[in-house]
Amino acid sequence: GAVVSQHPSRVICKSGTSVKIECRSLDFQATTMFWYRQFPKQSLMLMATSNEGSKATYEQGVEKDKFLINHASLTLSTLTVTSAHPEDSSFYICSARDLRGRLGNTEAFFGQGTRLTVV
Amino acid sequence: EDQVTQSPEALRLQEGESSSLNCSYTVSGLRGLFWYRQDPGKGPEFLFTLYSAGEEKEKERLKATLTKKESFLHITAPKPEDSATYLCAVQAGSGNTPLVFGKGTRLSVIA
Repeated sequence: GAVVSQHPSRVICKSGTSVKIECRSLDFQATTMFWYRQFPKQSLMLMATSNEGSKATYEQGVEKDKFLINHASLTLSTLTVTSAHPEDSSFYICSARDLRGRLGNTEAFFGQGTRLTVV
Repeated sequence: EDQVTQSPEALRLQEGESSSLNCSYTVSGLRGLFWYRQDPGKGPEFLFTLYSAGEEKEKERLKATLTKKESFLHITAPKPEDSATYLCAVQAGSGNTPLVFGKGTRLSVIA
């Protein structure tokens, strides 16, 4: 399978600060990237979908001004959690899909996840 | 609304004790059904994609099957290293739609 690298794997930040999470596709071009949030023992909840060069599409209930997503290149998407609060503490995971290349148009591969703790 | 239901929520097996995990789905036009393995604190690891009823795929001790309503992940002679949460997801419709996930089955294999 394809490799998606997510960084950092863990981050602790103070309330009110911003945190940036990077998601890179290492061996393919990610035309679409998805950002998920996962609570303990729960499944993945889709936050937003981003297509390279376009604005992200956010799911209902997700604040676009709080969770800033940038997908400026075919190999990199970033999620910035702005003015973080303790309730933003969670496990954030990105996934990437290549619509045009060898991976086919349905395979989605995931990063390792980022454990965010806001204190 | 597209839905994915996985059962059981948790499964405890003895090493070598084969079993199956179930994934039931309702979706408007199945584009693909996916199985992932997730270890604690990690992102999901891709296992299989199934596209049409009757399709089967195998990888080591795992075999995934698909019908029009459900998918099974069969685990043959499991080992402790197979312990993980197994996630099922569907992609519906046409175009670049996101995956819809079930809640997963937490599998524990005891030596």
